[in-house]
Amino acid sequence: AQKITQTQPGMFVQEKEAVTLDCTYDTSDPSYGLFWYKQPSSGEMIFLIYQGSYDQQNATEGRYSLNFQKARKSANLVISASQLGDSAMYFCAIQRPSGSRLTFGEGTQLTVNP
Amino acid sequence: GAVVSQHPSWVICKSGTSVKIECRSLDFQATTMFWYRQFPKQSLMLMATSNEGSKATYEQGVEKDKFLINHASLTLSTLTVTSAHPEDSSFYICSALPTGKYGYTFGSGTRLTVV
Repeated sequence: AQKITQTQPGMFVQEKEAVTLDCTYDTSDPSYGLFWYKQPSSGEMIFLIYQGSYDQQNATEGRYSLNFQKARKSANLVISASQLGDSAMYFCAIQRPSGSRLTFGEGTQLTVNP
Repeated sequence: GAVVSQHPSWVICKSGTSVKIECRSLDFQATTMFWYRQFPKQSLMLMATSNEGSKATYEQGVEKDKFLINHASLTLSTLTVTSAHPEDSSFYICSALPTGKYGYTFGSGTRLTVV
């Protein structure tokens, strides 16, 4: 079974600063996918970034980057130049095998202060 | 592209009645649809996985007779909460994986309140 752990229930960051949201995972499978989603108060789930277990380079998507440390089983999300609109709940998720269900962490509530 | 339309966005129903939630993939074919439930300030928990043309697979602890899932076509999956009770009040959200994409697409969710 797969497990995702997000140890930060809440995080605060000043506007325009960078912030790192932690995520560790546990799986015995060699092939898996790691995802980050953003959930604003409206409830929709917005896909941010994906990292495959065999990807050699860390994934990046605009202001989002994923700090993937395979040996430590961590997949931290880095948001650069935070904006007020980044305030939301952020979920880390793992998928194995490919195309199957996602297992989510407990989430981190990010608040960006002006 | 890769949009999942979910309706209704919110619904209030009386205890004992049934509620149907629809998820439609607008621009892709969703062979598989995942249904999640989320209680306030909690994570998403998978309820069931539906595959087009076959019976849904329910997670342990989810009552299949209470949460009826139908996936009759490649673009439509429905979740019916039968004989709803206040403890069924929650946020229900569907998800599918478009072919060739990594990111699962989610519907906008349905907030169900049973009074």
